[in-house]
Amino acid sequence: EPEVTQTPSHQVTQMGQEVILRCVPISNHLYFYWYRQILGQKVEFLVSFYNNEISEKSEIFDDQFSVERPDGSNFTLKIRSTKLEDSAMYFCASSVGLKTRFTDTQYFGPGTRLTVL
Amino acid sequence: GNSVTQMEGPVTLSEEAFLTINCTYTATGYPSLFWYVQYPGEGLQLLLKATKADDKGSNKGFEATYRKETTSFHLEKGSVQVSDSAVYFCALSTSYGKLTFGQGTILTVHP
Repeated sequence: EPEVTQTPSHQVTQMGQEVILRCVPISNHLYFYWYRQILGQKVEFLVSFYNNEISEKSEIFDDQFSVERPDGSNFTLKIRSTKLEDSAMYFCASSVGLKTRFTDTQYFGPGTRLTVL
Repeated sequence: GNSVTQMEGPVTLSEEAFLTINCTYTATGYPSLFWYVQYPGEGLQLLLKATKADDKGSNKGFEATYRKETTSFHLEKGSVQVSDSAVYFCALSTSYGKLTFGQGTILTVHP
């Protein structure tokens, strides 16, 4: 069964460094998402992406964050200058892209645990 | 704004016990409702969903009914197994597909 994959599974970085988290969505899916979960807190929406542009973003997704689909398979989340509070599990998801988006099922990857020291 | 509230956890049950995890929501418009499950070391997997009022989602013995009048989507299973031990998330989606999650409920099932 097709699945969403993410690399790396765990990333440790120093405060102020740039990180890139990578995701390979399911191949025929058109919509891509990033979510994060700070330890002990809810899973929070960051951004959705369609047709090579952001379709929606949360207030968390500030200028330090960016997303890109650099080729036909990868979807990346870049954090330009990491802060301690960016430490979290980051989940990538993708969906087929039904006409009624709100009924669409999102398929999640296993996550990347980001630790900022 | 949209929000989802799940019952406080964790929940600990013996095998073959009945499970209920409560979920209520607040949303503008008419959301779709989802239950996702996260097994240890894995990502979130869709367990079931319902897209309109009175729909019942079901999968692997789990069920949940979309109750618009009580804005609820409670998860139930008649007889849990040790393999059901996981974290369960209730979520909703509105027009642009963004998922809003509850805080998650940790379920532990003992033999």
